[in-house]
Amino acid sequence: AQSVTQLDSHVSVSEGTPVLLRCNYSSSYSPSLFWYVQHPNKGLQLLLKYTSAATLVKGINGFEAEFKKSETSFHLTKPSAHMSDAAEYFCVVRGSGGYNKLIFGAGTRLAVHP
Amino acid sequence: ETGVTQSPTHLIKTRGQQVTLRCSSQSGHNTVSWYQQALGQGPQFIFQYYREEENGRGNFPPRFSGLQFPNYSSELNVNALELDDSALYLCASSLGLAGRDTGELFFGEGSRLTVL
Repeated sequence: AQSVTQLDSHVSVSEGTPVLLRCNYSSSYSPSLFWYVQHPNKGLQLLLKYTSAATLVKGINGFEAEFKKSETSFHLTKPSAHMSDAAEYFCVVRGSGGYNKLIFGAGTRLAVHP
Repeated sequence: ETGVTQSPTHLIKTRGQQVTLRCSSQSGHNTVSWYQQALGQGPQFIFQYYREEENGRGNFPPRFSGLQFPNYSSELNVNALELDDSALYLCASSLGLAGRDTGELFFGEGSRLTVL
């Protein structure tokens, strides 16, 4: 069965410093992996997706993630944090079954300080 | 803004009551999924509807049921409410089964249900 584990429930950074949100996955086959972001009182928004093409995936707002099969990881990074990046981030894997079921991690809350 | 709208945004019910949540999908999308997000947790898949039929279900009891209408809008019904049903209920739409290939679901802002 597919699953994801987000290694940090909370991450705090200063504005202008790098962001690293960690995610490990478990999958019995080549996974489809995603990062979604949820701002307060807003719906979930897709940041980026990996679907077995390039292992380094670029997303919106300067975020990127690297798929590392040997480490079963899909960490999310950004070179320089902005105050507007403060939100909840979810690592997601597509489940099996032929329909569009997404399996979410527990989330990482990112705080950005001035 | 994703174009997915949900109603009501907030509601309070008591144990044993029934609730209906509504979702209008993004224009042109014919697949709707529902997710439950308990406080402090990631969303959990409830079920998916494609062309008015349920074609996938998560680990939720039968008292969670749904409908999809010819205009692709959808309802989530929960009977015999329990305290643990308190959560944010998210609706997501996508275009046909092509959504399977992208994983890009377009989410609404959710309906927050409190069960007392």
